[in-house]
Amino acid sequence: ETGVTQSPTHLIKTRGQQVTLRCSSQSGHNTVSWYQQALGQGPQFIFQYYREEENGRGNFPPRFSGLQFPNYSSELNVNALELDDSALYLCASSLSGPNIQYFGAGTRLSVL
Amino acid sequence: AQSVTQLDSQVPVFEEAPVELRCNYSSSVSVYLFWYVQYPNQGLQLLLKYLSGSTLVKGINGFEAEFNKSQTSFHLRKPSVHISDTAEYFCAVRDQAGTALIFGKGTTLSVSS
Repeated sequence: ETGVTQSPTHLIKTRGQQVTLRCSSQSGHNTVSWYQQALGQGPQFIFQYYREEENGRGNFPPRFSGLQFPNYSSELNVNALELDDSALYLCASSLSGPNIQYFGAGTRLSVL
Repeated sequence: AQSVTQLDSQVPVFEEAPVELRCNYSSSVSVYLFWYVQYPNQGLQLLLKYLSGSTLVKGINGFEAEFNKSQTSFHLRKPSVHISDTAEYFCAVRDQAGTALIFGKGTTLSVSS
């Protein structure tokens, strides 16, 4: 059984650019959630995808968008990057219902 | 809106000493509660969860937590810590919509010899 995997592990972008982060869910899981963790803070919920549809969204602007594919993997896209977008981005997968979330190792994004 | 408060930002302890990391949550009709651990430069690992049933929950690595509905608390305990327990610990509650986890700001546990 494979766990949640995220790619890339590190990424450096400049302000105004666009970025795509990827996540493969744990075997058997059909739901993917994305979180942003700023330095020294707890993770903040961005959104969740279930059956390829957005299933809930946190307080993030529309330039944060996502996709879920038929194999339940997911992408997080961020347009018009700002300096404050620098953070660790965490993906979590779960089964709908109890929604117990298991996290990947994260992608560290630095915006210069 | 639901919220989680971790009462201690840093907890320094000596090896083999007991430890308690405190967590309070805002009240709700029903709660699902979690503790996660984050080692340096890594993602979050689920330590334990409370969904229903017994208020004393046992997790991995010798950790346990007690759900106290009247005090809206979910404190994490370990009777004897090891150097390897040094990490950031996060308490979380599932939101009422059943989608998001709402996290506290974290407690840094530092174990020294």
